[in-house]
Amino acid sequence: EVQLVESGGGLVPPGGSLRLSCVASGFTFTDYWMNWVRQAPGKGLEWVANIKQDGSQKNYVDSVKGRFTISRDNAKNSLSLQMNILRVEDTAVYFCARSNFDLWGRGILVSVSS
Amino acid sequence: QSVLTQPPSLSGTPGQRVTISCSGSSSNIRPNTVNWYQQFPGTAPKLLIFGNNQRPSGVPDRFSGSKSGTSASLGISGLQSEDDADYYCAVWDNSLNGWVFGGGTRLTVL
Repeated sequence: EVQLVESGGGLVPPGGSLRLSCVASGFTFTDYWMNWVRQAPGKGLEWVANIKQDGSQKNYVDSVKGRFTISRDNAKNSLSLQMNILRVEDTAVYFCARSNFDLWGRGILVSVSS
Repeated sequence: QSVLTQPPSLSGTPGQRVTISCSGSSSNIRPNTVNWYQQFPGTAPKLLIFGNNQRPSGVPDRFSGSKSGTSASLGISGLQSEDDADYYCAVWDNSLNGWVFGGGTRLTVL
């Protein structure tokens, strides 16, 4: 089955860190750019970051530059998002998504609160 | 404030045709192709239209997309109750060097 499955979410205090993971299956992972997209409670979609097939190019939305790092392990069909210096406004459901968002994971909740 | 502007809400009756607009700029919609997504509460979005006007397999032909200049539109004809959802446009922005989403349109089928 073609799918993306996220893990690693949870509750973290402001200033803390969290690492999200996404495991891909059912397709050739190395053929695609991969993305992280988030959605704050009751709000719209916001693209967070993407990474090229071989990991040589990475792009980030301004609000997470210097705090978040996207990476991938092609041997494990895995995508990651290391989130540091978390802020209350980073609270959202984080989705892993393929290429031009033609395939999405179910999402994982990240809550930043004291 | 989203880079892409969509109407926050829209409504229609069964059988009607509705159009959702997405207004951008010369750094995003004009040079690049637009995608549209449908999202139901508590679920992941689903790709509805890619490449301005292409439907993925399984998407009914009641859904159509178009683009002109710095704007794009999603058309839904023969509105059905199951179309009651949130809709988002998205496109790559050459100036921001990233993807941008519209703020979303809540479509209510009365």
